[in-house]
Amino acid sequence: ELKVEQNPLFLSMQEGKNYTIYCNYSTTSDRLYWYRQDPGKSLESLFVLLSNGAVKQEGRLMASLDTKARLSTLHITAAVHDLSATYFCAVPGYNNNDMRFGAGTRLTVKP
Amino acid sequence: DGGITQSPKYLFRKEGQNVTLSCEQNLNHDAMYWYRQDPGQGLRLIYYSQIVNDFQKGDIAEGYSVSREKKESFPLTVTSAQKNPTAFYLCASSWLEGAEQFFGPGTRLTVL
Repeated sequence: ELKVEQNPLFLSMQEGKNYTIYCNYSTTSDRLYWYRQDPGKSLESLFVLLSNGAVKQEGRLMASLDTKARLSTLHITAAVHDLSATYFCAVPGYNNNDMRFGAGTRLTVKP
Repeated sequence: DGGITQSPKYLFRKEGQNVTLSCEQNLNHDAMYWYRQDPGQGLRLIYYSQIVNDFQKGDIAEGYSVSREKKESFPLTVTSAQKNPTAFYLCASSWLEGAEQFFGPGTRLTVL
């Protein structure tokens, strides 16, 4: 069974600091997705990573994918309060029939 | 505007009652999905459909049923057999299986 593990699950950081969220998965996949969820809201697509070595950046967030290590990272640079949310990574399941989500990382950025 | 709509936004169910959650998309996507999210938890797959008139069970299908009579629509029925249905329900679609999924705004179901 495909497993997708995120860590940390909870992250409290101060504004201006840097941090990295990790997403490990248990089977070969050449693609990975990152989503953001604000409290009480739905999921919003952040990054689509489609090949080994893919790197995408949007503002203070940068995502990368290492398919050989089965690892993706979401790096936060100089955090601001607006980044407070829950971040999910997701990997297509066997035969691409479904999508497996990590448990989510709840990020809180404090002034 | 293309997107996914879900209705209602809030739904209250009495014990023993079946309720149906609506999900419609105008993105011309082939694949559609239903997820359940409990407070502070991740997403769990209920059902998915890759094509009209075909659907597969996900990890927690018991107590739920779906239909896919039209490409644009994938309604979810929460039956009385689902003993703990209070949760946030999310519908998603993608242009093919394994591709990026786009989510609707969700339906929050509460059992009274």
